[in-house]
Amino acid sequence: DAGITQSPRHKVTETGTPVTLRCHQTENHRYMYWYRQDPGHGLRLIHYSYGVKDTDKGEVSDGYSVSRSKTEDFLLTLESATSSQTSVYFCAISDFTGTGNTIYFGEGSWLTVV
Amino acid sequence: DQQVKQNSPSLSVQEGRISILNCDYTNSMFDYFLWYKKYPAEGPTFLISISSIKDKNEDGRFTVFLNKSAKHLSLHIVPSQPGDSAVYFCAASTLNSGNTPLVFGKGTRLSVIA
Repeated sequence: DAGITQSPRHKVTETGTPVTLRCHQTENHRYMYWYRQDPGHGLRLIHYSYGVKDTDKGEVSDGYSVSRSKTEDFLLTLESATSSQTSVYFCAISDFTGTGNTIYFGEGSWLTVV
Repeated sequence: DQQVKQNSPSLSVQEGRISILNCDYTNSMFDYFLWYKKYPAEGPTFLISISSIKDKNEDGRFTVFLNKSAKHLSLHIVPSQPGDSAVYFCAASTLNSGNTPLVFGKGTRLSVIA
């Protein structure tokens, strides 16, 4: 198993409150990602990082921000949670070797916004 | 606009028979393709990959076929087992453009009936 830890694993929060999800890796991989999974939508990229302090947006980045101050940690913040952000959030990591970008996922964080 | 399409949301197969999961893509720049398997309440796990220089890659019971002219790939599972029941995601990226994030299809739920 890839050394990826997500926290919290489950959270219920109220609309309008800020929420931060944390992803911690022990693999020293350069690349880290946040995806969300929703019924009928599959896995969609929110933000990703290609190094410390280097991040970029994915296809569903509105309402989310990220930060990466250390190689091992990638934080996803919902500034003001909305019900549409109720989802399962997966962190992933990869280390591009030139033979392909295989990414490895964490166990997921279940977020419910009420 | 979906770049990776899995047009069958679900598939049921009898134990011991072949399971064929299909995936189509629209971006001709994609040159590296992967399949992931996901059980409920777990993160997706990498299953098998193929680069565009090959048309087939095999790993035990799992074989991925790539038809570049048709922009189509398929995952064959032979023989299918009840433990293969899961959601399968197809993913693609552009190997030669650096570490571009994977683009996922919406997934196909495979049910293997004993």
